[in-house]
Amino acid sequence: QSALTQPASVSGSPGQSITISCTGTSSDVGSYNLVSWFQQHPGKAPKLMIYEGSKRPPGVSNRFSGSKSGNTASLTISGLQAEDEADYYCCSYAGSSTYVFGTGTKVTVL
Amino acid sequence: EVQLVESGGGLVQPGGSLRLSCAASTFTFSSYWMSWVRQAPGKGLEWVANINEDGSERYYVDSVKGRFTISRDNAKNSLYLQMNSLRAEDTAVYYCARESGYSSTWNYWGQGTLVTVSS
Repeated sequence: QSALTQPASVSGSPGQSITISCTGTSSDVGSYNLVSWFQQHPGKAPKLMIYEGSKRPPGVSNRFSGSKSGNTASLTISGLQAEDEADYYCCSYAGSSTYVFGTGTKVTVL
Repeated sequence: EVQLVESGGGLVQPGGSLRLSCAASTFTFSSYWMSWVRQAPGKGLEWVANINEDGSERYYVDSVKGRFTISRDNAKNSLYLQMNSLRAEDTAVYYCARESGYSSTWNYWGQGTLVTVSS
């Protein structure tokens, strides 16, 4: 149950695209198409942005997209906006009804 | 709108106990898996435990097994986390979260309750 590995920080200018990686193992990310991504603003609860690797819940901007290759999942934010500045966490199902989160990535809009 | 309201957090000494509650409203509570997720100050999210719709299945992260117990009362639309033998490393904001019902993820979260373990 080790945390998934994310870069500590990613930055970009308004309008640019950024990608956040999330590396796990063959026991979690690599075994299931059940990676979610959450956005968290300071002092707020997490918000679901992507589930099952690439699906967006209702109301989430199509500027957010997800993908997976092997043991690594990725979140891409296109057309970066000031409101996207937040912490982002991936989370994978890890079998036997358990879950593991990523270490978190701080996104800064320059 | 789905509402999840946690309560019961506070300051407790190492080795002590605390019971968190999560009051759910505006959805059929008994139809959903529920989870507790925590976040230590300045740190990342950590899944703690979950429970199925009727309470017959419960799962925990290794670090809390044998110390924490998740439970629910569907008649009261409430989720609980009994925390015993608390340690300094259990200090965190504890969130109650509802699974989506369409996938293994959470689409509704409470505002969190802070648990501080310190002497």
